[in-house]
Amino acid sequence: SQQGEEDPQALSIQEGENATMNCSYKTSINNLQWYRQNSGRGLVHLILIRSNEREKHSGRLRVTLDTSKKSSSLLITASRAADTASYFCATASNDYKLSFGAGTTVTVRA
Amino acid sequence: DAGVTQSPTHLIKTRGQQVTLRCSPKSGHDTVSWYQQALGQGPQFIFQYYEEEERQRGNFPDRFSGHQYPNYSSELNVNALLLGDSALYLCASTPVSGGNSPLHFGNGTRLTVT
Repeated sequence: SQQGEEDPQALSIQEGENATMNCSYKTSINNLQWYRQNSGRGLVHLILIRSNEREKHSGRLRVTLDTSKKSSSLLITASRAADTASYFCATASNDYKLSFGAGTTVTVRA
Repeated sequence: DAGVTQSPTHLIKTRGQQVTLRCSPKSGHDTVSWYQQALGQGPQFIFQYYEEEERQRGNFPDRFSGHQYPNYSSELNVNALLLGDSALYLCASTPVSGGNSPLHFGNGTRLTVT
């Protein structure tokens, strides 16, 4: 079973627009991570936000975390064609695994 | 600096057969985790190896087994293959055990069971 649930399942935007996707989870966490996957290849780590943090930035990425609502959001600003990919949130609790959601597929149109 | 490498990249097997997938972790990493990713789904945790021992196991049957060698490389073995085992198998490494570090993934092995 998946711990995280991403919303929406799919997103299509014009180049230059912003893309926002959300993640909800069920249990308490130590941190939440976002990953990108291009066309069935390996996942690439984007950003990690700890449970005591509320917002984090990395380049064009902005992640928020609301532990009271058990939710997170990933914002990609000024999107590019190269941002076309699937994006996954993953939660880390007090064990050795990451629990991934089913992902949001983002398509950036030129 | 080589990242996580997996072999083979693609594999086709027949139902009932056995398969071995291989993984070399990123240089400096000693912990290896295996994930199964079905089409259109997120990765599902199979197990993690640290110091040549299985540290934790996900909800997978005993047909799935693994091994870690002294050089930290790892194998995933699946016996009595079922059609439902068709998936992308991902290996990931970290420099420390536990779920609190970012995972470095290989590009996976695409297994097709016919």
